[in-house]
Amino acid sequence: SQTIHQWPATLVQPVGSPLSLECTVEGTSNPNLYWYRQAAGRGLQLLFYSVGIGQISSEVPQNLSASRPQDRQFILSSKKLLLSDSGFYLCAWEGQPNTEAFFGQGTRLTVV
Amino acid sequence: QKEVEQDPGPLSVPEGAIVSLNCTYSNSAFQYFMWYRQYSRKGPELLMYTYSSGNKEDGRFTAQVDKSSKYISLFIRDSQPSDSATYLCAVISGTYKYIFGTGTRLKVLA
Repeated sequence: SQTIHQWPATLVQPVGSPLSLECTVEGTSNPNLYWYRQAAGRGLQLLFYSVGIGQISSEVPQNLSASRPQDRQFILSSKKLLLSDSGFYLCAWEGQPNTEAFFGQGTRLTVV
Repeated sequence: QKEVEQDPGPLSVPEGAIVSLNCTYSNSAFQYFMWYRQYSRKGPELLMYTYSSGNKEDGRFTAQVDKSSKYISLFIRDSQPSDSATYLCAVISGTYKYIFGTGTRLKVLA
């Protein structure tokens, strides 16, 4: 069966520090991968999606970037964190377009 | 108008009650619909996925889609305290494009 792993679960980082959040999927090949940010009362905001290795689409211009160095690995990064980057970050995968998406357990990032 | 609207709640019900959670959407072109359950500080868990009008049942959960009214519902029968969570509806608006509701907080009282 397919599983998705996301880490770390919580992270407290100072303003201006770098960020690297990692997501890996097991049990499937060539998944579509997504990074979302969830803010209280505002739903899920799509940040990036990827349909293959090295293929990244950005939905929202911001202080973040994403990379997909391997088929089942998706990384969210920042060179210098801002206070506004605080939030709950979720990685998700889907097997085929227009099918259901499955989420990881999320990373709660607090920038101080 | 938001593309997907969902009453934020909170919704409090006694144990054993039937719960009705609802969303409306704006674009009649949306074809695929999902419901997720999210516990506090956890990722959303897929409950139901459907793409046709009518009802789809899975255990105590029933998803209902009315495309003519652009209305989707999730019914929970015999609700349990463990059902206390935030429920998110979602539509697929295009390839790689999911739109989520803001979620309804549900509390089932023992």
